[in-house]
Amino acid sequence: GNSVTQMEGPVTLSEEAFLTINCTYTATGYPSLFWYVQYPGEGLQLLLKATKADDKGSNKGFEATYRKETTSFHLEKGSVQVSDSAVYFCALSEGGGATNKLIFGTGTLLAVQP
Amino acid sequence: DTGVSQDPRHKITKRGQNVTFRCDPISEHNRLYWYRQTLGQGPEFLTYFQNEAQLEKSRLLSDRFSAERPKGSFSTLEIQRTEQGDSAMYLCASSHSGTVVVGSYNEQFFGPGTRLTVL
Repeated sequence: GNSVTQMEGPVTLSEEAFLTINCTYTATGYPSLFWYVQYPGEGLQLLLKATKADDKGSNKGFEATYRKETTSFHLEKGSVQVSDSAVYFCALSEGGGATNKLIFGTGTLLAVQP
Repeated sequence: DTGVSQDPRHKITKRGQNVTFRCDPISEHNRLYWYRQTLGQGPEFLTYFQNEAQLEKSRLLSDRFSAERPKGSFSTLEIQRTEQGDSAMYLCASSHSGTVVVGSYNEQFFGPGTRLTVL
């Protein structure tokens, strides 16, 4: 079945450091890929998405590129801030008129220190 | 606030008791999803409604679980005879159904969740 594997945390960085959180997926068909973020005490929020191969999703300085050849969707940010501290979830959706249910990875906790 | 709301936010119950959670989606959304998130894991899909019809249920949804969306608006999730393994965060999300094309996606907006603790 479809699945998502993402790098385990926690990831601890200093402010202004470069961030990469790895995510790979297994899926049949043409899934859409997402990064969701969960800030402390808040609900899940969509951070960015890509719906087809080679698409780049971006938002708030974060980027991820849908790589079909490597089945990956790694999250990157050039310079993290303390306010980026949160749990990040990689997810896929079968899309194409199906349920559009989301299949999530286990989440990666990011802690950014001043 | 026009986001997805869930009630209660926290529920503590004793094993064997029944519990019911409520989700109010964004008003114009016709799709509603329930997910369960246990500690250290990502959310797992439980079930999904389009309007009032329950169109898919996960194998995770045992016969102790039942979900309804009677008028295609709010939804309830009931767990009967709770077990300690039911302790988790229960998340609700809603979305449009939109145009059905390959590669399309209609964003799911999540509520804050209901945290269930079964003693």
